[in-house]
Amino acid sequence: QVQLVESGGGVVQPGRSLRLSCAASGFTFSSYAMHWVRQAPGKGLEWVAVTSYDGSNKYYADSVKGRFTISRDNSKNTLYLQMNSLRTEDTAVYYCVRDSGYNSGWYEGGFDIWGQGTMVTVSS
Amino acid sequence: DIQMTQSPSSLSASVGDRVTITCQASQDIGNYLNWYQQKPGKAPKLLIYDASNLESGVPSRFSGSGSGTDFTFTISSLQPGDIATYYCQQYDNLPLTFGGGTKVEIK
Repeated sequence: QVQLVESGGGVVQPGRSLRLSCAASGFTFSSYAMHWVRQAPGKGLEWVAVTSYDGSNKYYADSVKGRFTISRDNSKNTLYLQMNSLRTEDTAVYYCVRDSGYNSGWYEGGFDIWGQGTMVTVSS
Repeated sequence: DIQMTQSPSSLSASVGDRVTITCQASQDIGNYLNWYQQKPGKAPKLLIYDASNLESGVPSRFSGSGSGTDFTFTISSLQPGDIATYYCQQYDNLPLTFGGGTKVEIK
């Protein structure tokens, strides 16, 4: 079945780095844009970043621009989020999310398949 | 950035009640609006896309309407399994943005 499985979360000190991974299965990964969305404890949803189906286009929320990098390896059906210079306010559950547009070019912008999420805690 | 204002932030209703949530965009977004349901400890689930289209497999008691800046999400007859937080989301422009959420509880 269609599935996204995140990994790589954990506890990290402020200023350090962490890389999240998301393994996709059950669909043609290379045909979809992919996103990261996060949710701080007890808070609402915040979109983080998007990459196009081939990785040629990327866009970031201002809150992470210059610190986070989204990438993908279509040969491995895997999405990544490299997080550098982490701050306490980056503490959240990070969800890997499939864009709702199939072969839609850059992105469509809806989120139709979500992973279970991976928790990132930034604390000294 | 497009701001999404959702109201109320929480509500309590009885089983069988009609429940309505509103979402207002800070600028015209056409019908580029989705609604999601998030149950405690779970990932969100897409319910409504393009403002009024029901995602496959979603019960027909859920519906959405609106265009431009004002949108409405309705549960026609609240069921115990509908206890969740509901979010609107615009996809007219990057950055993609969500409303603040509406927590729905049973009275």
